[in-house]
Amino acid sequence: GDSVTQMEGPVTLSEEAFLTINCTYTATGYPSLFWYVQYPGEGLQLLLKATKADDKGSNKGFEATYRKETTSFHLEKGSVQVSDSAVYFCALGLNEKLTFGTGTRLTIIP
Amino acid sequence: DSGVTQTPKHLITATGQRVTLRCSPRSGDLSVYWYQQSLDQGLQFLIQYYNGEERAKGNILERFSAQQFPDLHSELNLSSLELGDSALYFCASSPSTVNTGELFFGEGSRLTVL
Repeated sequence: GDSVTQMEGPVTLSEEAFLTINCTYTATGYPSLFWYVQYPGEGLQLLLKATKADDKGSNKGFEATYRKETTSFHLEKGSVQVSDSAVYFCALGLNEKLTFGTGTRLTIIP
Repeated sequence: DSGVTQTPKHLITATGQRVTLRCSPRSGDLSVYWYQQSLDQGLQFLIQYYNGEERAKGNILERFSAQQFPDLHSELNLSSLELGDSALYFCASSPSTVNTGELFFGEGSRLTVL
């Protein structure tokens, strides 16, 4: 079945550090790919998305590129802030289902 | 604020009991999704409804059932509760399908089974 594998956490970085959270997927068709973020005590919210190969999603300084050849959708940010501390979920959308990875908890230290 | 409303926010009950979780989707959204988030299983898709009809099913136990009403709100019924059912249950809505669109999540209903 369809699945998402993402980098295990927790990840702890200093403010202004470079961030990469790896995500790879397995799918039987051509999925859309998403990164969702969950701040403490809140529901998930969409961070960015890409709907076809080579698309780049971006938002709030975060970026991810849909790589069909490596079945990956890695999340990157050049300079993280304390306010980026949250749990990040990679997900794929296909056949009416949104399948999530296990989540990566990110903590940014001032 | 995502526009998705879930009630109750917290619920504590005993094993063997039955509870109902309620979700009001964003205005105009026809699809409602239910997810279970637990520490050991991560975020698991349970079921989706579209305009009142079941559209997709995930890892939903037979003890669980859901429905979407004509006004588009949805209820998730959990019966014969077990300790392992303790989790955060999220409802999400979208205007169409997840193949190209995003889901809007509520803040969740935290269920504790004692």
